[in-house]
Amino acid sequence: SQQGEEDPQALSIQEGENATMNCSYKTSINNLQWYRQNSGRGLVHLILIRSNEREKHSGRLRVTLDTSKKSSSLLITASRAADTASYFCATGLTGNQFYFGTGTSLTVIP
Amino acid sequence: SQTIHQWPATLVQPVGSPLSLECTVEGTSNPNLYWYRQAAGRGLQLLFYSVGIGQISSEVPQNLSASRPQDRQFILSSKKLLLSDSGFYLCAWSHHGTAYEQYFGPGTRLTVT
Repeated sequence: SQQGEEDPQALSIQEGENATMNCSYKTSINNLQWYRQNSGRGLVHLILIRSNEREKHSGRLRVTLDTSKKSSSLLITASRAADTASYFCATGLTGNQFYFGTGTSLTVIP
Repeated sequence: SQTIHQWPATLVQPVGSPLSLECTVEGTSNPNLYWYRQAAGRGLQLLFYSVGIGQISSEVPQNLSASRPQDRQFILSSKKLLLSDSGFYLCAWSHHGTAYEQYFGPGTRLTVT
């Protein structure tokens, strides 16, 4: 079964607003990663946060991780139309497997 | 720099026909390789992963199999396709362990008719 579940499933915002999406997972992890997928394309890595980190920034992206709640959030600030895509969290467990969540579909309206 | 190739980009196959999807990686050696399937509007399901030549781990019992005949080549196969095999198939590679990001290929859209 899939490890992560994103929430909400779909999100529609105006350009310039912030977008927040959440990911919950079930078991202990080594790290959690966020990916973006434009329609019909492969996934692109956005950011990785390790299990001993609580917050990480990359440009307009801010990721938090709460291992006690087994949850993570991705914040995209000052959204742009080009941010329209699906966003997935992926949990890295011990070993070599990654498990992806169900994704959040983000639409940024110009 | 590293690149990952997948082909074909799209494929329409009748039920019961065989399948072979190929993935190759350039610019790195001894990568972990992964096959995922994505149903329409859904997340990614890990199908197989490989940490080395001839080493295949299967995540989900299914109608598919995988092989790694060369270090940077990963093949997804089926002897007889089912309707439920339709989907978007993605190949990815990473360095060993899960502390590294995955790099995805462009995907293959498979429609079984």
